Amino acid sequence: GAVVSQHPSWVICKSGTSVKIECRSLDFQATTMFWYRQFPKQSLMLMATSNEGSKATYEQGVEKDKFLINHASLTLSTLTVTSAHPEDSSFYICSALGGFGADTQYFGPGTRLTVL
Amino acid sequence: AQKVTQAQTEISVVEKEDVTLDCVYETRDTTYYLFWYKQPPSGELVFLIRRNSFDEQNEISGRYSWNFQKSTSSFNFTITASQVVDSAVYFCALSERGNTPLVFGKGTRLSVIA
Repeated sequence: GAVVSQHPSWVICKSGTSVKIECRSLDFQATTMFWYRQFPKQSLMLMATSNEGSKATYEQGVEKDKFLINHASLTLSTLTVTSAHPEDSSFYICSALGGFGADTQYFGPGTRLTVL
Repeated sequence: AQKVTQAQTEISVVEKEDVTLDCVYETRDTTYYLFWYKQPPSGELVFLIRRNSFDEQNEISGRYSWNFQKSTSSFNFTITASQVVDSAVYFCALSERGNTPLVFGKGTRLSVIA
């Protein structure tokens, strides 16, 4: 149980286009999901906290107009990278809070974004 | 502020050697959680362990063991009789509570050579 999926697993796009990444909790409901970003050979850094039915909370330095987060249901959060540029190329990983008391984070497999 | 330090950037060992990955953390909270994750080349994070601050007992799981010492704010991870399949990046992480985001260390890249 407690499986989180991400789609797509990898994507290549041209500079200036927008890319949507989905994060789904497959067998549990998650009112809160987190989005992390990992640049090559670096650590994971929190980008934003996504709460179902409300606006996301972004970490300092993360442009909310560029990284649009929508948590429209208890099982789905989406991250849209708008007007993507090569510097946005990264590994994006989501996690969903589940478990008894919703105190356990379950990570998705990640999405590798390459912007040409 | 919370901080996790993994001083070892890369470690290379020969198969069957034991290896210890160091993790030192900083937090002002009296209650917190510590984690270790393995990240193979595929990128997916593999959960290894979660430990809360009230449980200082060492943990052993097969070839893996963890040494949690609050006195030195350390949560070290030892792999006994390492294998090539252990080659990966290992992250230590800290969270204030179970439902708050994780703060990750920079990771230690372990290479086990046959």
